[in-house]
Amino acid sequence: EPEVTQTPSHQVTQMGQEVILRCVPISNHLYFYWYRQILGQKVEFLVSFYNNEISEKSEIFDDQFSVERPDGSNFTLKIRSTKLEDSAMYFCASSDRELAFFGQGTRLTVV
Amino acid sequence: AQSVSQHNHHVILSEAASLELGCNYSYGGTVNLFWYVQYPGQHLQLLLKYFSGDPLVKGIKGFEAEFIKSKFSFNLRKPSVQWSDTAEYFCAVNRASGTYKYIFGTGTRLKVLA
Repeated sequence: EPEVTQTPSHQVTQMGQEVILRCVPISNHLYFYWYRQILGQKVEFLVSFYNNEISEKSEIFDDQFSVERPDGSNFTLKIRSTKLEDSAMYFCASSDRELAFFGQGTRLTVV
Repeated sequence: AQSVSQHNHHVILSEAASLELGCNYSYGGTVNLFWYVQYPGQHLQLLLKYFSGDPLVKGIKGFEAEFIKSKFSFNLRKPSVQWSDTAEYFCAVNRASGTYKYIFGTGTRLKVLA
């Protein structure tokens, strides 16, 4: 069964550092997403990406965040200057339309 | 505003007990509905989905859910839980057009006692 893969599974970074979270979506999918889950809280939508551009973003997705699909296969989330409150599990997802498949997540810890 | 409510945050059951987890949504237009399960340390896995048709949908591992449009509800049920069902369960909604982004509920943490 095709799956969404994310790397790394766990990343520890110092406050103020840049991090890039990587995702390989399912190959024939057209829609790509990032979600995050702060420990003990619900899964929150960050951004959706379609046709090589952001199609929707949440209030959380401020100027510190950016997404890219640099080579047609990878889909990355960059946080420019991490803050303590960015510590969370970040999930990548892809879909052909209504049904999304989620990756296993990257646990980001900002210290 | 778009939202999904799960009323039970923590549920503890004994094996063989029946399970019902509530989910209500507030979302304009035609929606798709989902239940996902997250086992400890693992990713979100789809249990079942509703797009259209029969409002009673059956999913994997013996789970089912019923869409009641008049109540904006999509409750998850299982007649007899097992210890291996211990996990967190998320209800989610997306619109049947547009970006198809998901709105998730807060989750229900289920613990099944052996």
